[in-house]
Amino acid sequence: DVKVTQSSRYLVKRTGEKVFLECVQDMDHENMFWYRQDPGLGLRLIYFSYDVKMKEKGDIPEGYSVSREKKERFSLILESASTNQTSMYLCASSFLDPGSYEQYFGPGTRLTVT
Amino acid sequence: DQQVKQNSPSLSVQEGRISILNCDYTNSMFDYFLWYKKYPAEGPTFLISISSIKDKNEDGRFTVFLNKSAKHLSLHIVPSQPGDSAVYFCAASDAGGTSYGKLTFGQGTILTVHP
Repeated sequence: DVKVTQSSRYLVKRTGEKVFLECVQDMDHENMFWYRQDPGLGLRLIYFSYDVKMKEKGDIPEGYSVSREKKERFSLILESASTNQTSMYLCASSFLDPGSYEQYFGPGTRLTVT
Repeated sequence: DQQVKQNSPSLSVQEGRISILNCDYTNSMFDYFLWYKKYPAEGPTFLISISSIKDKNEDGRFTVFLNKSAKHLSLHIVPSQPGDSAVYFCAASDAGGTSYGKLTFGQGTILTVHP
């Protein structure tokens, strides 16, 4: 059974703090993704990675960075948190093979920036 | 620019009836489509998918229809059950490109099934 875990379910941070969100998958997936979910906007891709140390910008990368030092772990970093980064953050993983498009999601982290 | 659109934010259906959720896309390079279901406080879970070489795919109570000329897909749930109440997202991929399995998601539709 595929498992994607995220380090925190709920997080409250102050404006200007550096925030780390961690994601771990146990299926040996090459691809890993970070999304944010906001009402009326759906899931928007922040960054993704298709290999260790590789990263690609998604649709809304501004204010975020990522790190992938090991295949199973993908971290999202908010360098200086702002109130407009209050959101639900979802991590996902998938195989790189063409034909394997299904992404497996973690339970999400509800981040509040005050 | 929203390349995948779900124009109905919500849908309310009676138990036992059919639920029809709709999704439109604009990118003609999309060739693989998926539906995900999301309960509150949980991550989305995969429901059903369809390749652009097909126009229909069934899995139990769930059927997805694809109309490529109209760039439209729909998810039919028959019969609907209260446990189907959730947010449904459609997603699309241009699998033939260098997308690395990226998915573009719609805004989601909240389905409520009343007993």
